[in-house]
Amino acid sequence: GESVGLHLPTLSVQEGDNSIINCAYSNSASDYFIWYKQESGKGPQFIIDIRSNMDKRQGQRVTVLLNKTVKHLSLQIAATQPGDSAVYFCAESPNTGGFKTIFGAGTRLFVKA
Amino acid sequence: NAGVTQTPKFQVLKTGQSMTLQCAQDMNHNSMYWYRQDPGMGLRLIYYSASEGTTDKGEVPNGYNVSRLNKREFSLRLESAAPSQTSVYFCASSERLGQGRTEAFFGQGTRLTVV
Repeated sequence: GESVGLHLPTLSVQEGDNSIINCAYSNSASDYFIWYKQESGKGPQFIIDIRSNMDKRQGQRVTVLLNKTVKHLSLQIAATQPGDSAVYFCAESPNTGGFKTIFGAGTRLFVKA
Repeated sequence: NAGVTQTPKFQVLKTGQSMTLQCAQDMNHNSMYWYRQDPGMGLRLIYYSASEGTTDKGEVPNGYNVSRLNKREFSLRLESAAPSQTSVYFCASSERLGQGRTEAFFGQGTRLTVV
């Protein structure tokens, strides 16, 4: 069945370095992808999204890359800060209505000072 | 702005007891969702309501019922709680924005333990 997974369950980076969090998806019908950040004890928060007709999208310190050929999604965080420590989820939807969004298991990012 | 508010934040139930998780949003969103999050896993959709007056099953609906009381409120009911329903429950709402972006806003979660 469809699944969204992550290559690494945890990632540890030095403060100031760039972080790259990866995600694989299996549903070729998915056309909308979202990255969420979840801090301890809180609900997920939207970071950035990308539609399937795009390869790259940039936000403030974050970039999402989409490679449809290999069904791979990545989140790049520039100049990682301690406040970036959290669990990051990728999510996919078969349509931009967002219904039945499928979430990956998450990657925990640790930022070392 | 309150955003999405869930009550209660914590709850302990005995097996077989029933309870209702409440959720309200003040962003005038049409769509609302209930997810559960288990350790080491992502969020799994239980039920969703695309608009007021409609509800549909998600990935894991068994053992749950929902009510879209009005545009603001979407409740989740456990009729006979089981230990397998021990989880953190999140309510979310969303609105389709321009160019199809559908940003979901989540509540703080309800940590439910069934003993």
